[in-house]
Amino acid sequence: DAKTTQPPSMDCAEGRAANLPCNHSTISGNEYVYWYRQIHSQGPQYIIHGLKNNETNEMASLIITEDRKSSTLILPHATLRDTAVYYCIVRVAGQKLVFGQGTRLTINP
Amino acid sequence: DAEITQSPRHKITETGRQVTLACHQTWNHNNMFWYRQDLGHGLRLIHYSYGVQDTNKGEVSDGYSVSRSNTEDLPLTLESAASSQTSVYFCASSNKPGQPLTGELFFGEGSRLTVL
Repeated sequence: DAKTTQPPSMDCAEGRAANLPCNHSTISGNEYVYWYRQIHSQGPQYIIHGLKNNETNEMASLIITEDRKSSTLILPHATLRDTAVYYCIVRVAGQKLVFGQGTRLTINP
Repeated sequence: DAEITQSPRHKITETGRQVTLACHQTWNHNNMFWYRQDLGHGLRLIHYSYGVQDTNKGEVSDGYSVSRSNTEDLPLTLESAASSQTSVYFCASSNKPGQPLTGELFFGEGSRLTVL
């Protein structure tokens, strides 16, 4: 599985867009980019994933660069409940997930 | 509603005892996974299974075993519990047979194990 690099922590004001970056320069052609988050001590929660195109769902948007070496997760209107650790993972669909350290996102009132 | 459940949610045991953590999912998922989470290490993969009778070692499998005798269950056994195995354990599942592969794993609520 390709390695990912994320900033250890970020802050964002409530109501603003939170943009979480992820570098995955060694990603291969059949590997997807996945984002999960973990709120406090709960089990991780799936957010979104993509291969080449940008993706959007009810939770977030995923922007993948044309060369696929980096991506950004966007939470358009962050709330206090979005405070969590966010994990960027690259892997072949259906295969095991290997988690890194993630980004601890704090939403401030 | 379909779900994934772990039991027990909390357990305290003594060094050297055998412990089994249960994981049960009702989605008919092919794939099941066990992770442990410790401060400073994030989530680490212990064992995983892609179907009945299939099991594979993850990155931290020493001291743990799993068996997959049916689709719904993947119990995790600590043969001889050690203090280093004090952790929070998460089970996850994914992929219904016959459906396109996706990346979405569904996680249980976790089992907190303390080995004294």
